[in-house]
Amino acid sequence: AQSVSQHNHHVILSEAASLELGCNYSYGGTVNLFWYVQYPGQHLQLLLKYFSGDPLVKGIKGFEAEFIKSKFSFNLRKPSVQWSDTAEYFCAVLGSSNTGKLIFGQGTTLQVKP
Amino acid sequence: EAQVTQNPRYLITVTGKKLTVTCSQNMNHEYMSWYRQDPGLGLRQIYYSMNVEVTDKGDVPEGYKVSRKEKRNFPLILESPSPNQTSLYFCASSLGGYNSPLHFGNGTRLTVT
Repeated sequence: AQSVSQHNHHVILSEAASLELGCNYSYGGTVNLFWYVQYPGQHLQLLLKYFSGDPLVKGIKGFEAEFIKSKFSFNLRKPSVQWSDTAEYFCAVLGSSNTGKLIFGQGTTLQVKP
Repeated sequence: EAQVTQNPRYLITVTGKKLTVTCSQNMNHEYMSWYRQDPGLGLRQIYYSMNVEVTDKGDVPEGYKVSRKEKRNFPLILESPSPNQTSLYFCASSLGGYNSPLHFGNGTRLTVT
């Protein structure tokens, strides 16, 4: 069965620190990959997505992610975090174009200290 | 404004009392879906709908029903809620197909006592 694994459940950083959140998926075929962010008390918002082409994807708010097919990974990065980046981050893979179902990882809670 | 609207935002109910959580989108999306979010488990799909009158089970459909009589609406029905359905629920929609990201509603926090 397809699955998504996020390695870090809770990350605490100081402002201006660099961020990397790990995401691995298990699916051998063509994948569409996403990172969503959920700010406290809000709904999920799309940060960035990868469908094909350049494996380095840039998203909103200075986030980027790199698709490494050989490692089945899609890690999220940001060079310098801000307090406003405090949120929960979800990696997801579109498992099947027939169902449109997104398979989510468990989520990573990021806490940025001012 | 393009959005997915869920109601209510918060709901406290008792075991066995039927309830409906409404979901409406104004983007003419064909695909709609319900997820529940639980700590440590991420989001799990309950039901989805590819189009009007077409619905199918997701990963955790037990105890839930849905209907898709109109394109814009996709209500989630709990005929006899139980405490293990206490969760945060999200409705989402998309154009459908491979290249369409999901747009999420604001969520409904349900507590069943």
